[in-house]
Amino acid sequence: GAVVSQHPSWVICKSGTSVKIECRSLDFQATTMFWYRQFPKQSLMLMATSNEGSKATYEQGVEKDKFLINHASLTLSTLTVTSAHPEDSSFYICSASGQGGGYGYTFGSGTRLTVV
Amino acid sequence: GDSVTQMEGPVTLSEEAFLTINCTYTATGYPSLFWYVQYPGEGLQLLLKATKADDKGSNKGFEATYRKETTSFHLEKGSVQVSDSAVYFCALSVGRDDKIIFGKGTRLHILP
Repeated sequence: GAVVSQHPSWVICKSGTSVKIECRSLDFQATTMFWYRQFPKQSLMLMATSNEGSKATYEQGVEKDKFLINHASLTLSTLTVTSAHPEDSSFYICSASGQGGGYGYTFGSGTRLTVV
Repeated sequence: GDSVTQMEGPVTLSEEAFLTINCTYTATGYPSLFWYVQYPGEGLQLLLKATKADDKGSNKGFEATYRKETTSFHLEKGSVQVSDSAVYFCALSVGRDDKIIFGKGTRLHILP
């Protein structure tokens, strides 16, 4: 079945540095990818939607200059958290949909970001 | 705006008990409805779905029926197992960009 690989699964970084999270569709073409953020005991909150080859669409309240999303190919989208701060510590999950991916959305396993 | 409301957890049941997790939604248009499950230490998995009114989604003994009149999509299972312990998310998708809106999740504990 459709598989989405998300890397890294966890990362610890110093405040002020940038962190890149990758989301790859391994066996299908992900024309659309979504990035979510999950706070402890909270639901997933959609951050942005990205379509291959075009600029991401950010949800209200999400800083596009802080959370840089690139979807340059049909199999790869990246989320870069720039100048990370402790309040950016969270669980980030990507999901993808597209041709060959089956119905619905395939999720990555998530990335636990801790900013110290 | 579009939203999903599901019962707060945690829900604790004994093995073989009957399970219901309530979910109601608010949406413009005609949404598709989903239940996702997140097992400990893992990512989200699609459990079941329904795309139109009166559809019943089912998988692994779980069922949910799309009720348009009550705007609900309650998750049920007749006899739960310890391995069903997880967090369950109700979700909907509507609109051209098909973004998914999630409920807050319900943590389920099944005791042996």
